[in-house]
Amino acid sequence: AQSVSQHNHHVILSEAASLELGCNYSYGGTVNLFWYVQYPGQHLQLLLKYFSGDPLVKGIKGFEAEFIKSKFSFNLRKPSVQWSDTAEYFCALNSGGYQKVTFGTGTKLQVIP
Amino acid sequence: NAGVMQNPRHLVRRRGQEARLRCSPMKGHSHVYWYRQLPEEGLKFMVYLQKENIIDESGMPKERFSAEFPKEGPSILRIQQVVRGDSAAYFCASSSERADTQYFGPGTRLTVL
Repeated sequence: AQSVSQHNHHVILSEAASLELGCNYSYGGTVNLFWYVQYPGQHLQLLLKYFSGDPLVKGIKGFEAEFIKSKFSFNLRKPSVQWSDTAEYFCALNSGGYQKVTFGTGTKLQVIP
Repeated sequence: NAGVMQNPRHLVRRRGQEARLRCSPMKGHSHVYWYRQLPEEGLKFMVYLQKENIIDESGMPKERFSAEFPKEGPSILRIQQVVRGDSAAYFCASSSERADTQYFGPGTRLTVL
């Protein structure tokens, strides 16, 4: 069975601080990895995804994530957060060829002006 | 992802009533997925459908819940005899034939009184 763990449930940062949100997964085979963002009152939007190739993936709004296979991790990073990044961030995966997506429990990010 | 439509956005039902949630996938997408988000939890997979076929319903409660995706019209998630524990946000996602990335709708927030 596949699972996703996000250990930080709530993160508070000041504007311009650097961000790193942890994501670890459990699955023995090939995985596709995703980060979704849910802004207050809005639906989930895809931030970035990793299927194969370069393990450093760049997404929208200055976000990036690094796939480290040996650590089963896919951490999300941003060098300098803005107030508008306040949202909930979900790490997710599906296994190659299988469409069910498994989500982590989410990390709520609050950026203080 | 703005192309996935869900209605209604908010639905209030009394215990014992039926709830019908609709999802129109993004244009060109033939795969639909339903997820449920309980308060303070991540999204949980419920069911995966293609036109006129249920592919995976491993996340569906055994009773009262059903889903369909007819040849014509939106996908419907139906909850019979709702209980308070059914109160949640229900998200629909769709993907193309390649089915590598799912795009989410705005969700339906069901409140059971």
